[in-house]
Amino acid sequence: AQSVTQPDIHITVSEGASLELRCNYSYGATPYLFWYVQSPGQGLQLLLKYFSGDTLVQGIKGFEAEFKRSQSSFNLRKPSVHWSDAAEYFCAVNSGGYQKVTFGTGTKLQVIP
Amino acid sequence: EAEVAQSPRYKITEKSQAVAFWCDPISGHATLYWYRQILGQGPELLVQFQDESVVDDSQLPKDRFSAERLKGVDSTLKIQPAELGDSAMYLCASTEAASSYNEQFFGPGTRLTVL
Repeated sequence: AQSVTQPDIHITVSEGASLELRCNYSYGATPYLFWYVQSPGQGLQLLLKYFSGDTLVQGIKGFEAEFKRSQSSFNLRKPSVHWSDAAEYFCAVNSGGYQKVTFGTGTKLQVIP
Repeated sequence: EAEVAQSPRYKITEKSQAVAFWCDPISGHATLYWYRQILGQGPELLVQFQDESVVDDSQLPKDRFSAERLKGVDSTLKIQPAELGDSAMYLCASTEAASSYNEQFFGPGTRLTVL
């Protein structure tokens, strides 16, 4: 069965600093991988997704993620964090078929001045 | 820009009462999902519809939860009777088609509090 692990429950970074959120997945074949962001009290918004091809994918709001098959990872990065990036971030995996997506437990990002 | 609509946004109820949530997906989206998100956790799929048919309800507690999408457009999720442990955010999402490539578009959710 597919699974997703986000080892960091909470991360605090200073505004302008770089950011990396970790995500590890468990699935036998090449998965479909996603990063979503959720602002307080809101639904989820897709940041980026990976299916195949270039392992470095670009998303919205200046985010990028790199798929590393050897490490079963799909870490999210941003070179310079803005205060508006404070939110909860979810990594998700889909093994295909009828698109049953499994979400990680999320990482809550706090941005300090 | 088209959005997934959900109502109500907030619901407070007492245990043993019945509650219902409504979702209107983006026009033309054939696939609709209901998720439950407990505080501090990621969304968990409750039920998935393809048009009016259920394709996955393996995680739906069928003794108290029911979901329908009669005309293959909007959908209702019902809980009867509600229990304290049902307090959570209930999210609806839709995709154009049930393909692994397609982005799921989420609504703002319904925050349920059971007292």
